[in-house]
Amino acid sequence: GESVGLHLPTLSVQEGDNSIINCAYSNSASDYFIWYKQESGKGPQFIIDIRSNMDKRQGQRVTVLLNKTVKHLSLQIAATQPGDSAVYFCAEIGGTSYGKLTFGQGTILTVHP
Amino acid sequence: DVKVTQSSRYLVKRTGEKVFLECVQDMDHENMFWYRQDPGLGLRLIYFSYDVKMKEKGDIPEGYSVSREKKERFSLILESASTNQTSMYLCASSFRTSLNYEQYFGPGTRLTVT
Repeated sequence: GESVGLHLPTLSVQEGDNSIINCAYSNSASDYFIWYKQESGKGPQFIIDIRSNMDKRQGQRVTVLLNKTVKHLSLQIAATQPGDSAVYFCAEIGGTSYGKLTFGQGTILTVHP
Repeated sequence: DVKVTQSSRYLVKRTGEKVFLECVQDMDHENMFWYRQDPGLGLRLIYFSYDVKMKEKGDIPEGYSVSREKKERFSLILESASTNQTSMYLCASSFRTSLNYEQYFGPGTRLTVT
């Protein structure tokens, strides 16, 4: 999961495996969450989002799970491919924040062929 | 497709220089944001703007200023660049609606201050 410090959490998987990336958030008022993917040399790209009135949302090969009780968010990637190798960020928003997202520090996912 | 463009991909400046980073978006978004990204620290918000000529400080505004004279353009200014401002700078934009908070990002500008 996300952690404070200079070293990003890393996850290494084999091609075809399922990947689970975790994120803990601290603001109990957060009511919207996004996962972004950032490939080397590019800006972050939207993957999937979820509102706090849901606990699960599915996209194409991705599922986001939200556990508000323990303030935990996870991103599941099915049948991980080498093209999924990237840094993954969770972000949250809550209250009257003019659309300001608070980002986690990211997790490096490496997929081995 | 939403497009957010940044004026430079790579920039090298000397300590004390005034630096301008430009960002343009083509989706008529009300909100625009400037972040810096450093290894292990994620994306940290420098400034954001929710309308033309409006600006709000983010988490790390010191040493930076911004300008939003037109809706599509948001500029980040380093008044006197310092080596600790060497970083990746990311611009983003979004609609000002509670229906969708997705921010669209530009490719980033890697700034080196020597």
